[in-house]
Amino acid sequence: DAMVIQNPRYQVTQFGKPVTLSCSQTLNHNVMYWYQQKSSQAPKLLFHYYDKDFNNEADTPDNFQSRRPNTSFCFLDIRSPGLGDAAMYLCATSRGLGNTEAFFGQGTRLTVV
Amino acid sequence: GNSVTQMEGPVTLSEEAFLTINCTYTATGYPSLFWYVQYPGEGLQLLLKATKADDKGSNKGFEATYRKETTSFHLEKGSVQVSDSAVYFCALSDIKASSGGYNKLIFGAGTRLAVHP
Repeated sequence: DAMVIQNPRYQVTQFGKPVTLSCSQTLNHNVMYWYQQKSSQAPKLLFHYYDKDFNNEADTPDNFQSRRPNTSFCFLDIRSPGLGDAAMYLCATSRGLGNTEAFFGQGTRLTVV
Repeated sequence: GNSVTQMEGPVTLSEEAFLTINCTYTATGYPSLFWYVQYPGEGLQLLLKATKADDKGSNKGFEATYRKETTSFHLEKGSVQVSDSAVYFCALSDIKASSGGYNKLIFGAGTRLAVHP
């Protein structure tokens, strides 16, 4: 009964070659988030959507973009991956009403070669 | 700004030992507090939460009490198992710190726990 599903679990891409990571949810939550987690570090919020309203964190590089075509799906696009973008990318959702918890997917581990 | 500070790891314990992982926070407003657990190669799973002062969150033998006077949310377990080996993240969300009422989580750096037989 997976609720937040990320595909693929592992992604290898070439330096500079655009890559897209996907996330889907069955919870019908309003808010979807993308976090970047580098080895042995805390997850860092890149951006989030409230419905179709996109909110970028101030320090998220322009190289990272996102799309949310409908409630269930959200995509993370990395336009020109560098070696420093190798990380675990975590998608999460929340209802967005009050202080509710976030539900995370299993993550996509991105390797840049 | 809002922040979370956790004790550095790794924490290494024998099975059935008592566990404490310290967490303190700085926040404006009235945050909710969370503990998330991350097993190797996996995403984060919510372990427990507390939404107001003096609340105690508990799950799977773990517990943590929201202490506003000391701005702390320490994680405890009376008897750890090998299967508890993971990285534990303390986090807060503050509705006032995020735009439009979104739940923006701010994480601590994580504490790795290793339990050996």
